[in-house]
Amino acid sequence: GAGVSQSPSNKVTEKGKDVELRCDPISGHTALYWYRQRLGQGLEFLIYFQGNSAPDKSGLPSDRFSAERTGESVSTLTIQRTQQEDSAVYLCASSYWTASSGNTIYFGEGSWLTVV
Amino acid sequence: AQKITQTQPGMFVQEKEAVTLDCTYDTSDPSYGLFWYKQPSSGEMIFLIYQGSYDQQNATEGRYSLNFQKARKSANLVISASQLGDSAMYFCAMRERKTSYDKVIFGPGTSLSVIP
Repeated sequence: GAGVSQSPSNKVTEKGKDVELRCDPISGHTALYWYRQRLGQGLEFLIYFQGNSAPDKSGLPSDRFSAERTGESVSTLTIQRTQQEDSAVYLCASSYWTASSGNTIYFGEGSWLTVV
Repeated sequence: AQKITQTQPGMFVQEKEAVTLDCTYDTSDPSYGLFWYKQPSSGEMIFLIYQGSYDQQNATEGRYSLNFQKARKSANLVISASQLGDSAMYFCAMRERKTSYDKVIFGPGTSLSVIP
């Protein structure tokens, strides 16, 4: 596709429910990132996928968070037993190296999650 | 430890004036990349400019230029001839790549307001 696509764009869920957030990266981009941004805050790294290598999960805040990616395609971020502190925008980004822009990462519009 | 520091939580600039947004970073890796992103109130993350650690010249993109001082580990963003549409959050980011580590991390951001 033309850009990074995320769904749903907005999700309201009850505390304790599981949610799945989907990211479709730019075609041909080998790297995929998930970030969390709480209201008025900066971007918090969650997880990184590069091709078929083992993902860098060092940013996942707890074992309630997990993410999957099949090859260089769609990724799903799953949050189990959601809590109010999980309310945030979840941003997905993808990248591919070029000489002029390095590994510039391009972002989707985010999935706004509200846990009530 | 904080890897990216943006010491200006908020900045004001008069329309048509130039403004400098500060960014300092911390890394022991000789190879890294530095980015600036703009996030307007709509929430999207917009790539502005990239600087590689081995690049000899400061990066420029239209009204944006990056004042890269490697010895000081600073990568300040200069916006010339500010426009009202420049009002947004600005994030400095750094990519470090090692054998088992590849991550783009973001600073806390600077909120820029352009005054007519």
